[in-house]
Amino acid sequence: GQNIDQPTEMTATEGAIVQINCTYQTSGFNGLFWYQQHAGEAPTFLSYNVLDGLEEKGRFSSFLSRSKGYSYLLLKELQMKDSASYLCAVSRAGNTPLVFGKGTRLSVIA
Amino acid sequence: GAVVSQHPSWVICKSGTSVKIECRSLDFQATTMFWYRQFPKQSLMLMATSNEGSKATYEQGVEKDKFLINHASLTLSTLTVTSAHPEDSSFYICSARDWGGSGSYNEQFFGPGTRLTVL
Repeated sequence: GQNIDQPTEMTATEGAIVQINCTYQTSGFNGLFWYQQHAGEAPTFLSYNVLDGLEEKGRFSSFLSRSKGYSYLLLKELQMKDSASYLCAVSRAGNTPLVFGKGTRLSVIA
Repeated sequence: GAVVSQHPSWVICKSGTSVKIECRSLDFQATTMFWYRQFPKQSLMLMATSNEGSKATYEQGVEKDKFLINHASLTLSTLTVTSAHPEDSSFYICSARDWGGSGSYNEQFFGPGTRLTVL
């Protein structure tokens, strides 16, 4: 079966750093995605990891450990507009759909 | 990146009526599209995989006779919610991959979503 776990909610302070963890167990693995979703809107792509290690893109970084079935999304210099849900999703082989975690609702407070 | 559009963006209908939602890939061809449903404060739940020129593949627990999917061309898939009831009120999102390569990876591009409210 497919199982993707991430915390339900997190709160962090503006300007701080927050790490959102994701663990997965899936039949097949062809990369892990992080998406951002604001309420009432569609998800937007943030990052993709297929090899172990850290991928940095501006204020956002994503890490993957395939052997541990673990990933995290790191957000630096938090801004109020970063308040959103962050979805971890696993890609399996071929043209199969992404499998999504339940999402982590991040609240950035002043 | 590739663009996926949905129409309408929101719809309100009476219980018992049918509602059609269109999903289009605007600048690429999509042999496969995916339909998701999202209830408030919950994650995306895959409903079905829409295949151009063939029958859709439905996820367990999704009624294929209630949620009719038609993928008539390489750029259009439609989802029809038949005999809608208040419990069908949700946010419906379609998604597709651009295997032609305009995406950086094999990411799924999402439409803007359709908010359905059944009275």
